[in-house]
Order: sequence, then structure tokens, then C-alpha cells
Amino acid sequence: GAVVSQHPSRVICKSGTSVKIECRSLDFQATTMFWYRQFPKQSLMLMATSNEGSKATYEQGVEKDKFLINHASLTLSTLTVTSAHPEDSSFYICSARDMGANTEAFFGQGTRLTVV
Amino acid sequence: LAKTTQPISMDSYEGQEVNITCSHNNIATNDYITWYQQFPSQGPRFIIQGYKTKVTNEVASLFIPADRKSSTLSLPRVSLSDTAVYYCLVGAGANNLFFGTGTRLTVIP
Repeated sequence: GAVVSQHPSRVICKSGTSVKIECRSLDFQATTMFWYRQFPKQSLMLMATSNEGSKATYEQGVEKDKFLINHASLTLSTLTVTSAHPEDSSFYICSARDMGANTEAFFGQGTRLTVV
Repeated sequence: LAKTTQPISMDSYEGQEVNITCSHNNIATNDYITWYQQFPSQGPRFIIQGYKTKVTNEVASLFIPADRKSSTLSLPRVSLSDTAVYYCLVGAGANNLFFGTGTRLTVIP
């Protein structure tokens, strides 16, 4: 199947700093990418949907100024956690869909963010 | 968006067939049903997708009745490495994929 690469796989940062997470579709073009957050023992929670060349759509309760999403090309979307705090520590996962309709979404390996 | 309901957890012995059923009573006409597997600290992995009747691939089968209000993922002869969380998702096209609670499958030796 298609490959979605997420980087870094884990990161530790100090409280108040910003962290950027990259999501790349390696062998297909993705007009739409999704960003999720997952806390321990819980399901994935959709944070936002990013469409190439346009602003991201955020789910209710997700601060768009804190979680900056950029989808500059058909193969790259980035999530920047700004002014991170310990409560932002979580597992962040991106997903990308091929341009065809009704195709399965492919997920990155996830990024474990720890804010200290 | 069609909401899904699955059992929270299931246990099975190695070598047995496991069937996980998902309810999606308000599935829309153009919705597909997709199942994912997730291991701890990894992103979900696609297992199988279907629209109606039966779909089979090298790892699983998916049974969808005529009314499409439920679906059953069948894993033949599970092994310890199949211990994971299994998610059933319903959606179409570029619609967002919302995850339900998932089913935590534990395979016992």
C-alpha cells in the first residue's frame, strides 16, 4: 500500500517552545491530509483537515492558533504546536488520502510529543 | 456522519477465528466501511474495505449484510501478533474519518 512518512517519531521539548511535525505522502499525491491526536488508552481524535493550497478546517475545540497546519504541496503537510505546554503531550498522527474517491486513508507512524 | 459502535474488548485463544462486529445504523448510501488495526505507539494500518456483501483479502474477510447497518471483520486463525485495537470507520470520498472507541483484541496463548 501507499506510504505516509511522519517525522519526527518522537520529540521532547521545553514548555513554551514550538514543535513542527511533518507528514509526507511518499508515493502518491494527497489533496487532503488529516491530523489526529491520541491520548493513552483512548481513540484517535480528529484535530483538523488540511487541503492543499487552502486553510485547514479545525474540529470544534481545537485551537487553530495553537496548532498551525500548513499543506503547501500535494505531498507535504506540517503541524506546528506553538507555545507547547505539558498538557499538549500526546501522540500525534497524520493521515493522507490518495486523490481518488473512496480510497482508504494511509496513516503515518505517529509522533510522540513530550513537553517538559 | 455515520456513528459506529463496537465491543470495547474481546479475548480469543491463538488459532481461533475472531469476528468483530460493528454497528452503523445511519450509514449513508455512498459510505464505505473500512477497518483499521492499531498497535501501541503506531499509526493505524489499513486492513480491509468494503461496500456490500463480502470482501476477502490475504489477512481478513469483511461481511456486510444487505441493509449495511452493520459489518463483521473476520480474522482467521489469530496469533499473538494480532493483539491490537481494531477500528471500524464509515465514510465516503474526502469526508473526514472519525474514529470510534475501537475493539481491543487480546489473543491468549
